[in-house]
Amino acid sequence: GDSVTQMEGPVTLSEEAFLTINCTYTATGYPSLFWYVQYPGEGLQLLLKATKADDKGSNKGFEATYRKETTSFHLEKGSVQVSDSAVYFCALTPTGANSKLTFGKGITLSVRP
Amino acid sequence: GAVVSQHPSWVICKSGTSVKIECRSLDFQATTMFWYRQFPKQSLMLMATSNEGSKATYEQGVEKDKFLINHASLTLSTLTVTSAHPEDSSFYICSASWREEQFFGPGTRLTVL
Repeated sequence: GDSVTQMEGPVTLSEEAFLTINCTYTATGYPSLFWYVQYPGEGLQLLLKATKADDKGSNKGFEATYRKETTSFHLEKGSVQVSDSAVYFCALTPTGANSKLTFGKGITLSVRP
Repeated sequence: GAVVSQHPSWVICKSGTSVKIECRSLDFQATTMFWYRQFPKQSLMLMATSNEGSKATYEQGVEKDKFLINHASLTLSTLTVTSAHPEDSSFYICSASWREEQFFGPGTRLTVL
């Protein structure tokens, strides 16, 4: 079945550091890929998505590129802020939003001032 | 827009009692809603897909008689944990589909004593 693997956490960075969070997936066909963020005390929010190979999703300074050859969707940000401290989930769905999401374990990011 | 609420945000109950959790889409109609369970430091595990006006589709290993799901309207789905036991203690999260995206509620923390 489909699966998503995220790097182990937690991750602690200083403000303005570069961020990379690795995500790889296993799926048949051509899934859509997502990054969700969960801020403390809040529900999950869609951060960015990509629906086909070589697509780049971007939002709030975060970027991730759909790499089919390496089955990866790594999340990057050039300069993190304290407000980026949250839990980040990589996820996939076979087709559209009415298909169920498969999530990675999530990784906690803490950014120090 | 696209706000999903859950009620209650937390609940404590005695073993053997039943607990109902509500999931509402506040500003859109959702024909499909999803229920997830999240254990500490682990990912979201899909429990069931709830379709308005029809029976829910449960994931393998989820007891449908224990976790009753009712999607009575386009804005409301409920999850009832029947005869709750301490092992049912968890964080329950719902999501609702709208315009090719899933929007998540803030979650409900259930503690069974």
